[in-house]
Order: sequence, then C-alpha cells, then structure tokens
Amino acid sequence: GQQVMQIPQYQHVQEGEDFTTYCNSSTTLSNIQWYKQRPGGHPVFLIQLVKSGEVKKQKRLTFQFGEAKKNSSLHITATQTTDVGTYFCAGRNSGYSTLTFGKGTMLLVSP
Amino acid sequence: DVKVTQSSRYLVKRTGEKVFLECVQDMDHENMFWYRQDPGLGLRLIYFSYDVKMKEKGDIPEGYSVSREKKERFSLILESASTNQTSMYLCASSPTTGVLSEKLFFGSGTQLSVL
Repeated sequence: GQQVMQIPQYQHVQEGEDFTTYCNSSTTLSNIQWYKQRPGGHPVFLIQLVKSGEVKKQKRLTFQFGEAKKNSSLHITATQTTDVGTYFCAGRNSGYSTLTFGKGTMLLVSP
Repeated sequence: DVKVTQSSRYLVKRTGEKVFLECVQDMDHENMFWYRQDPGLGLRLIYFSYDVKMKEKGDIPEGYSVSREKKERFSLILESASTNQTSMYLCASSPTTGVLSEKLFFGSGTQLSVL
C-alpha cells in the first residue's frame, strides 16, 4: 500500500532559526495536505497542494510540491515559539482515495 | 466554523469491555473518519464512511467496528477492549465535491486507556 515517509521525526531549534520538514511518497500523489497539531490539541489543516512543482506561501511558511508529485516540503522562516507543534503531511494517490499521513515532525522552539 | 464533537475527552475502560466512542459533526459533511494516534506512529485510519449506513475499512480495522445511522453521527465500537487499543482516537469529517479531496476537520480526540 501507499507509504508516506516524513523526516525528521523531531527537531529542536532556537527562536529565529529556520525549519524544514520533508515528506516522501512511495507512489505518485494526486495531492498533498499539511496539518499542524499543537501540543494537547488536534490536527488543523494548513494547506493543500495539487499541481506539480507548486509553491504556496502563508506568511513565514512555504510549502512545495515536487515536480514528480512524490515529495513535498514545509519550510518555516525565522521560527517563533508559536510554531511549536507537530507537522503532518498527508498524501492522496487519487481523488477518490483516503489520505495517508506521515508520522509527523515534532518542532520545539526555544526562546 | 465546523464543529466536530467527540463525546469524551478521557475514558478508562477494563479489558473485555464493550466501548463506544461517539462523534458528531454539525456541518452536514458526507464523509466521516476514525483515526487512532500513537506516539511515533502518526495517524492511522481505522474506518471511514462516505454516506449514511455506509462504511469502509481503513488501514487498521481489526478489533473495531463502526455505525453511521445518521449523517451527523459516526460511532466507533470496540467489541472487546484490549490493552493494545489504548490510544488517542480522533474523529474527522469532510465535505465532498464528488471526490474525497477536501480537507479534514478533526474533533478534539478521546484518550482511551484500557486497563
């Protein structure tokens, strides 16, 4: 079945440093979504990428979808303590299939 | 805003008990999902439903069943709870535009402990 690998599993940065998490799929994806889960909270949708090579920005967050639609990344510029949480990617290999989640990257930001 | 409500935040049950986890959404979404979340394993799909009385197995359905008698309500049932079912259970819903491509709205989760 489809597998979505996400690295790193954990990252600890100083406030102001950049952060990137990477997602790789064993199959070509039709789209990929990113979610953020704050400590003690539930996953909240951030964005969906659909097109090959697509890049989307949300303030300090930059999301990319690879040309082959098998990988994606989330980059945070100048992290803040409010960025703390676990970031999940979730891929779908067709419009009619369910999402397969990566295991998540836990981000800790020290002030 | 979409609201997905799970009946209990914390639940403690004994091995062998029958356990019901309830989930209600208020946005008339067609699709509903049950995930379990375990440290280091991420979110794994147990069951989902794309219509009333319809259900489909996810990746880890063993030991679970579901019920969807009304559009807004999706129940997860543990017929005979076991200790390896201790986990955080997350319910989610999504609308449909003809495909299962919409974003998921999650409930706050139920932390189930089976002793």
